[in-house]
Amino acid sequence: SYVLTQPPSVSVAPGKTASITCGGNKIGSKNVHWYQQKPGQAPVLVIYNDSDRPSGIPERFSGSNSGNTATLTISRVEAGDEADYYCQVWDRSSDHYVFGSGTKVTV
Amino acid sequence: EVQLMESGGGLVQPGGSLRLSCAASGFTFSSYWMSWVRQAPGKGLEWVANIKKDGSEKYYVDSVKGRFTISRDNAKNSLYLQMNSLRVEDTAVYYCARDPFERPEHFDYWGQGTLVTVSS
Repeated sequence: SYVLTQPPSVSVAPGKTASITCGGNKIGSKNVHWYQQKPGQAPVLVIYNDSDRPSGIPERFSGSNSGNTATLTISRVEAGDEADYYCQVWDRSSDHYVFGSGTKVTV
Repeated sequence: EVQLMESGGGLVQPGGSLRLSCAASGFTFSSYWMSWVRQAPGKGLEWVANIKKDGSEKYYVDSVKGRFTISRDNAKNSLYLQMNSLRVEDTAVYYCARDPFERPEHFDYWGQGTLVTVSS
């Protein structure tokens, strides 16, 4: 089955840039989606199709995907961005949605 | 406004059964693939099952195949998850989620979740 690998944690100072990676075999050939989840809340989609932002998501959130790594970038980080972030793909070979293990962003 | 509201969670003994429901509103339910996604306490997200718009296709994660059944009633705008032979490791918050594309890709809306606890 397809595996997505994320770092367990990322620490960033307010106002700086946070980069969260998501590794997978030839992930650049897949559409990667990112979710933000705050404690006690449901996940929220922040990036879909590698780099598109749903309405209401700040421009500070951006994404890229190439080769074996996809990246979620949060610019000008704010205290409110502190959360768990999950990458996700649809694996056509198994007809399964696959999530990464999640990255805790600490501001 | 799109809303998804889960219900039916609770405490059940190992080997028991439970049926989760998800009431959808604010969109044309019959036009979307729907899924159940779970999250064990302190753990990450795990997709459980999905169902095509008309119910003609269903897929499951291996760990629940043969024990869980996903279904939908488009006339009632509702999604269901019948869970049998429950195990301690099925303990989790269960979310229903909508996939906005014609084929499975990602989830644009999630419910608030319902907690299932399997314990003796």
